[in-house]
Amino acid sequence: GAVVSQHPSRVICKSGTSVKIECRSLDFQATTMFWYRQFPKKSLMLMATSNEGSKATYEQGVEKDKFLINHASLTLSTLTVTSAHPEDSSFYICSAILRGNTGELFFGEGSRLTVL
Amino acid sequence: AQTVTQSQPEMSVQEAETVTLSCTYDTSESDYYLFWYKQPPSRQMILVIRQEAYKQQNATENRFSVNFQKAAKSFSLKISDSQLGDAAMYFCAYRSALIGDMRFGAGTRLTVKP
Repeated sequence: GAVVSQHPSRVICKSGTSVKIECRSLDFQATTMFWYRQFPKKSLMLMATSNEGSKATYEQGVEKDKFLINHASLTLSTLTVTSAHPEDSSFYICSAILRGNTGELFFGEGSRLTVL
Repeated sequence: AQTVTQSQPEMSVQEAETVTLSCTYDTSESDYYLFWYKQPPSRQMILVIRQEAYKQQNATENRFSVNFQKAAKSFSLKISDSQLGDAAMYFCAYRSALIGDMRFGAGTRLTVKP
């Protein structure tokens, strides 16, 4: 199956700093990627849809200036958490659609962010 | 907006027995996909089974099968011959064929007792 890789898997940062999380499709081209946030013992909440070469579409309630998403190529999307605060601590998961759209999303391993 | 409802926060099954996880969804669309994903403690999302809405036949994958009732907007997952490795969080998900993003239910935590 298609592989999506996310990096880093764990990151700890100080409050006020920025953190970048990368999401790569390793063996396929992904025109669209999705970023989800998951709180402990909760479901995945869609944050934004990232389309290659265009601005991301954010879900209602998600601050686009805090969660910067860039999809510069068909294999890479990045999520930057700017001026991180402890309440931004969470598990972030990216996913991608295969070009041609088989229906299934392929998920990265997730990134656990801890803001001190 | 589409919503996915899983009414069972937790379920328990004896090893080798069968368990059914429930899922309902709400949509006005006719073309969509439905999925069950498994999330073990590693947090990696693993596809268990998927169903295209236009297909009447219920999907099956080895010990996993679904009961897809399109008119009732119901999509339950049956796990037969449960194994200890089946213990995980299970998420029901909906994906529009048009919009593309995937929406998840709240999840059901499945425990398998030896």
